[in-house]
Amino acid sequence: DTGVSQDPRHKITKRGQNVTFRCDPISEHNRLYWYRQTLGQGPEFLTYFQNEAQLEKSRLLSDRFSAERPKGSFSTLEIQRTEQGDSAMYLCASSSRGLGSNEQFFGPGTRLTVL
Amino acid sequence: AQKITQTQPGMFVQEKEAVTLDCTYDTSDPSYGLFWYKQPSSGEMIFLIYQGSYDQQNATEGRYSLNFQKARKSANLVISASQLGDSAMYFCAMTLNYGGATNKLIFGTGTLLAVQP
Repeated sequence: DTGVSQDPRHKITKRGQNVTFRCDPISEHNRLYWYRQTLGQGPEFLTYFQNEAQLEKSRLLSDRFSAERPKGSFSTLEIQRTEQGDSAMYLCASSSRGLGSNEQFFGPGTRLTVL
Repeated sequence: AQKITQTQPGMFVQEKEAVTLDCTYDTSDPSYGLFWYKQPSSGEMIFLIYQGSYDQQNATEGRYSLNFQKARKSANLVISASQLGDSAMYFCAMTLNYGGATNKLIFGTGTLLAVQP
């Protein structure tokens, strides 16, 4: 399978716990994005990596959120001290800068439920 | 700031008929891209079609076409010959394409399309 993969697909946690999500982009893609989608809304940008460098972070990304992309391959998104408002679908996407549409390919998402 | 507006929360269409999903955008940057994504109930985001701001012709991909009206800042999606499998949420999105841009996608709120047999 050469698409974007995310793990886990579903996560249920109690308020106050830490959670970590993983994203494996398409192997030759140097750009990686995290988005968050709440019910009935379009995805909202969280953060962007070009290779291993985190080049942009949304104001949505509070201090409880941290993202990494060691060695420019897979990425992790960690949420510390989860709150009920963190319940959402977390989507990862990757793309390759170059000619063409710069289409972003999305993974299946991780659905987080905070109880 | 960039913004995407989708004013149709939901649409019905009869199978085999054409349907237009509306999208307007706002940006002061001259170089940008416009996308349409489909999100079925399973949740994955599926790329449908792309239009660059400097493209002279409207984009087409099979049954999908993008009606790009730059002066009106609209980028409507036209689906011809609707199929039952087209029932899904449809999102319009844009990116800025200037050198150094992150190309992050800015999404609208989506339109839920229901295709009726």
